Amino acid sequence: VQLVESGGGLVQPGGSLTLSCAASGFTFTNFPMNWVRRAPGKGLEWISYISTSSRTVYYADSVKGRFTISRDNGKNLLFLQMNGLRGEDAAVYYCATLAAPEDFWGQGTPVTVSS
Amino acid sequence: QSVLRQPPSVSGAPGQRVTISCAGSSSNIGANYDVHWYQQLPGTAPKLLIYDNTKRPSGVSDRFFGSKSGTSASLAITGLQAEDEADYYCQSYDSSLRVVFGGGTKLTVL
Repeated sequence: VQLVESGGGLVQPGGSLTLSCAASGFTFTNFPMNWVRRAPGKGLEWISYISTSSRTVYYADSVKGRFTISRDNGKNLLFLQMNGLRGEDAAVYYCATLAAPEDFWGQGTPVTVSS
Repeated sequence: QSVLRQPPSVSGAPGQRVTISCAGSSSNIGANYDVHWYQQLPGTAPKLLIYDNTKRPSGVSDRFFGSKSGTSASLAITGLQAEDEADYYCQSYDSSLRVVFGGGTKLTVL
């Protein structure tokens, strides 16, 4: 089982970034997926959920209207489009199944928001 | 400001037993949603430690115990070891079925 995030980096306030998460080793289409982040000095924060069919999506209030979650089941990919980035969005972003006990996490991709 | 409230830190000597509390409300834990516990070592992804309140995934040491009562849950660690030093998080769901995490507890092994 492997989840590999990519796309993180340095972005200016107000800028945009798209994170990707490549899944392998399990049946991706059977699992709803989530994005979770951890800001420096802070705890884990769940930020978004997408169902297996993409029909249902949820967002934390902190990112609603700015972030968009999506998935490509044909390519086993999960995405997070982030617009209007703020300083408080700086964090390590993880994709995860959160489907205990089949709980899989990526290694995380860091996002820095700074001018 | 986390929905689930955990103590910021706990500590214990090697061999001792420590507990980490996770206080929720009738909108999450008290609404009969399951509680899961994660361990996060520095620089690594969180690892599932306890799921469905009391169950241990395969490979997790039997020194870790989960419990739940009413609107709260607890994680107990017995026979404390240096390698247990990490951040611990409880996780449940709110009435909208959104995932909620506790604020996290830093465990220090003295």
